[in-house]
Amino acid sequence: QKEVEQDPGPLSVPEGAIVSLNCTYSNSAFQYFMWYRQYSRKGPELLMYTYSSGNKEDGRFTAQVDKSSKYISLFIRDSQPSDSATYLCAMRNTGGFKTIFGAGTRLFVKA
Amino acid sequence: DVKVTQSSRYLVKRTGEKVFLECVQDMDHENMFWYRQDPGLGLRLIYFSYDVKMKEKGDIPEGYSVSREKKERFSLILESASTNQTSMYLCASSSAGSGRSVETQYFGPGTRLLVL
Repeated sequence: QKEVEQDPGPLSVPEGAIVSLNCTYSNSAFQYFMWYRQYSRKGPELLMYTYSSGNKEDGRFTAQVDKSSKYISLFIRDSQPSDSATYLCAMRNTGGFKTIFGAGTRLFVKA
Repeated sequence: DVKVTQSSRYLVKRTGEKVFLECVQDMDHENMFWYRQDPGLGLRLIYFSYDVKMKEKGDIPEGYSVSREKKERFSLILESASTNQTSMYLCASSSAGSGRSVETQYFGPGTRLLVL
């Protein structure tokens, strides 16, 4: 079983839709939860992160962590064609160097 | 603007060749990483380095070695390239931090390697 599971998609939505991207994980020691966005032919870039449980909002993006269910989500409101990318969840322990990445979900937002 | 550069965007090599992938960062970061990215498998850590001449194996180090002689440069070496090493290779760097926070990893654009 992989430490982090993420549906690879692709996920196709119309412009303006609310998008929900999700990951599950098995290691209860993970404390930092991150979302990276990767455009085609580019390296990933950090979108946002949360520590432990709870929500974090940044503009149209909201990250949620439910440690009891070992489930994290990224919501994108009012999705735009420019949001079309692959979204990778990532997580790590406190004090550790290693970040574990999900496989990434490919998102297409149609104009 | 932070910058991680990789020596090549695309490479085609023959089985058995020795392959060098170079990565340079201009942010004075202590940590540098090499990942490979394959469909359905995500990013898998090959090696990382937390200081000059220091290295640690990641999850899939077999068939690879690394070199870090200068702080800004981290090289990945495929000792004898094989077809199963065809992949996208991504380099990243981050500051040392305390390990108790998220130190953003900054990625290069990647090198797409094809081994024939």
